[in-house]
Parts: sequence; structure tokens; C-alpha cells
Amino acid sequence: EVQLVESGGGLVQPGGSLRLSCAASGFTFSNYWMSWVRQAPGKGLEWVASIKQRGSENYYVDSVKGRFTITRDDAKNSLYVQMNNLRAEDTAVYYCARGPGGGYGTTWFDPWGQGTLVTVSS
Amino acid sequence: EIVLTQSPATLSLSPGERATLSCRASQSVGSYLAWYQQKPGQAPRLLIYDASNRATGVPARFSGSGSGTDFTLTISSLEAEDFAVYYCQQRGNWPLTFGGGTEVEIK
Repeated sequence: EVQLVESGGGLVQPGGSLRLSCAASGFTFSNYWMSWVRQAPGKGLEWVASIKQRGSENYYVDSVKGRFTITRDDAKNSLYVQMNNLRAEDTAVYYCARGPGGGYGTTWFDPWGQGTLVTVSS
Repeated sequence: EIVLTQSPATLSLSPGERATLSCRASQSVGSYLAWYQQKPGQAPRLLIYDASNRATGVPARFSGSGSGTDFTLTISSLEAEDFAVYYCQQRGNWPLTFGGGTEVEIK
């Protein structure tokens, strides 16, 4: 069974940093796109960042460029996002999601983890 | 950035009725459009990818159609578990974007 389990969320002050992790199991992690998608309380979905197989390419939404860094450790079957200089508008549930395998140039999201809540507040 | 506009915002229907949800893109995304279902307190679930391909385990009552800028998700006969929020997502261009969602509620 494919499983994605996020961790690392919590309360952080504006300007602070947080690192989220996503532990993957049930599939060959290195073969797939991986992504972070977030959802502010009561709002819709917003794509945050994606990383291709072997970390060969990564992409970010403009609002997090220069502040967030997506990485993967294929040996540990894990996905990460380092979030620096956090703002109140970054408050959201952050989901880890798998994309397609193979040679796709972009990604959809399937499946999703259960999410981890990040709250940025003083 | 490609903007996805979903309509209607809310769809009030009864079990057994047909649901037709629309997603319109601000520019062509080819066939690179996906649909997701989200229930309260749960993570989203992929239903359809690349406009018309059902994801693994998705019931046949869900179907997707369209290309270019206009896409449709159809639920042929609503069941109790289908009342939820539905989002479309394009992967035709970076940044990837989602529509604002359509809530299918019980009439």
C-alpha cells in the first residue's frame, strides 16, 4: 500500500523557519515526481513545489521562491521542504503528494498524505 | 499563470441525479487537466488525470471530458459519498494551478 506521512508542522513566529518531512512507503520512491501542496484554513488548494526524479528539476510557486527549498533523499524514501522567512500567509495544511513515474514533464498528485499544519503567528 | 475558473461554485442536487461540473482555463492546457475530490477533514483524492483517464479505483460513474480550455467532470448518478468539494488542476504549464472548487451539496 502506498503511504505518505508528513511531519514537522507546528507553530512558528513570522520570520522563522520550519522543515517539513514526508516519509514514503509502498512504492519505488526514486521513480516518481514528488510535490508539496498547501491549503489555508477554509480555502482551496495551492501548489507549492515539485521535484522530479533524482532531483533533476524543481519548481516553485512564485510566492515561495527564494524562501522554500524542496529536496528529496531517495536512499531514505523521503521528501522535504525547508521553509525560511515564514509569513502569516504561509499558514496552511501542507500535503505531500506523489506524481507520475516515467518521463512526464509535469505532474498531477496521487496519492496525498494526511497533511501537517503549519501556523505562522506571533 | 494559467487561471482555472470552476463553475458553479455550489451545486445542489439529490442522490441519483447527474452532476456536471465545469472548469475553464485562461489559456489552452491541451489535455493536461486533473480532477480531485475532497471531503471535510480529508486529503484530496485524484479522480481523473489528463482530462479523461480515471485514476485507479475510481468508480465508473465519474467521467471527464474536454480539451484546450473547457473541461467537464460528470458524475452520472450521485451517491451519498459523492457529496464533497471538487477541484480541477492543470499541468500544462508551470506554475501548476488549481481551480477554486465546486461544492456538490445535498439538496
